[in-house]
Amino acid sequence: DAKTTQPNSMESNEEEPVHLPCNHSTISGTDYIHWYRQLPSQGPEYVIHGLTSNVNNRMASLAIAEDRKSSTLILHRATLRDAAVYYCILRGGSSNTGKLIFGQGTTLQVKP
Amino acid sequence: DSGVTQTPKHLITATGQRVTLRCSPRSGDLSVYWYQQSLDQGLQFLIQYYNGEERAKGNILERFSAQQFPDLHSELNLSSLELGDSALYFCASSVFWGLGGEQFFGPGTRLTVL
Repeated sequence: DAKTTQPNSMESNEEEPVHLPCNHSTISGTDYIHWYRQLPSQGPEYVIHGLTSNVNNRMASLAIAEDRKSSTLILHRATLRDAAVYYCILRGGSSNTGKLIFGQGTTLQVKP
Repeated sequence: DSGVTQTPKHLITATGQRVTLRCSPRSGDLSVYWYQQSLDQGLQFLIQYYNGEERAKGNILERFSAQQFPDLHSELNLSSLELGDSALYFCASSVFWGLGGEQFFGPGTRLTVL
């Protein structure tokens, strides 16, 4: 499984945008980029995923570099509820299993 | 609420004992995954079942086993428990067995081995 690299922690102010980076220089052409987050004392939850094009949903946006070696999860207006560990995960398009391989993730702290 | 339920929420037991963790997937989901989260190892994939059959194995110890029943609920059996097995155990479900679709996680079972 291809590896991702994320900063250990980041801080943001409430109601400001947050850009969470992820490097995945060994990504293969069929790997999808998935983001999950884990709020305190809860199980992980899906945030967004993409392959090549930028993606938007109600929770966040995903910006994917043209060479696909990096991506950025964008929270447009951080709230206190967005404080969580954010995981960037690659899932092989040719894989016959949907297992998720979690790294250490980025712990996001949101200040009021 | 993800729609995935796990019981029990907490479990305290002694070394050498055996426990069973139970998971009910979201209605309509055929695939069930088990993950272990500990302070030193982080979140680790253990095993996946799809429609009753084992689909993928991760870092699951031989002392651990799982199964998925015809009604699609799953059980994770942990035996000869050691102190190091203390962790949060999450179950997740998805519609398909492969890449398609997000996984929905349950609230977890916290296992404490004394």
